[in-house]
Amino acid sequence: QSALTQPASVSGSPGQSITISCTGASSDVGTYNYVSWYQQHPGKAPKLMIYDVTNRPSGVSNRFSGSKSGNTASLTISGLQAEDEADYYCCSYTSSSTYVFGTGTKVAVL
Amino acid sequence: EVQLVESGGGLVQPGGSLRLSCAASGFIFSSDWMSWVRQAPGKGLEWVANIKRDGSENYYVDSVKGRFTISRDNAKNSLFLQMNNLRAEDTAVYYCARKFGAKFDPWGQGTLVTVSS
Repeated sequence: QSALTQPASVSGSPGQSITISCTGASSDVGTYNYVSWYQQHPGKAPKLMIYDVTNRPSGVSNRFSGSKSGNTASLTISGLQAEDEADYYCCSYTSSSTYVFGTGTKVAVL
Repeated sequence: EVQLVESGGGLVQPGGSLRLSCAASGFIFSSDWMSWVRQAPGKGLEWVANIKRDGSENYYVDSVKGRFTISRDNAKNSLFLQMNNLRAEDTAVYYCARKFGAKFDPWGQGTLVTVSS
């Protein structure tokens, strides 16, 4: 159960768009459309941002969007804002009926 | 409002035991799977365990199998994690979360478990 691979950090200027990748395997991301994304500010609990690859929960800004191609899922944040500065984690269901999180990405707003 | 409140964390010696609790409110607890997710200091999230609505199925990450037991009391809207034979690498903030489909939402505020002599 190796963690999904994410870039350690991604940065952008206010108003720009950034994309965070999440690479897994055929036993998780590649087979199941059960990828979710979580935002975590320092000292806070994670917050669901995207589920089932592309779906956005009620209350989450439409600046957040998700996609998937093969074994890699992606989270795009458009119109980057200062409040988006946080850690982001992907998560996937696996063929073992378990879940695996990504390594995490720190987003910096320059 | 859906709310999850963890308790039971603390300092424990290697090889010791601890039981975490999670009190749920604001939703029909018995209708949802529940989960525990942990985060070691300065590290990423790690899924630990899931339990089915009626407690009849549970799943664990390999590193805790045989040591941790997830359980629930639907009459008391409570989730538990019994942790035995604790190791230094189990040191983390432990979050309980509602597993709604294939997503975790919401999460509690977490309880810190420190395994150290």
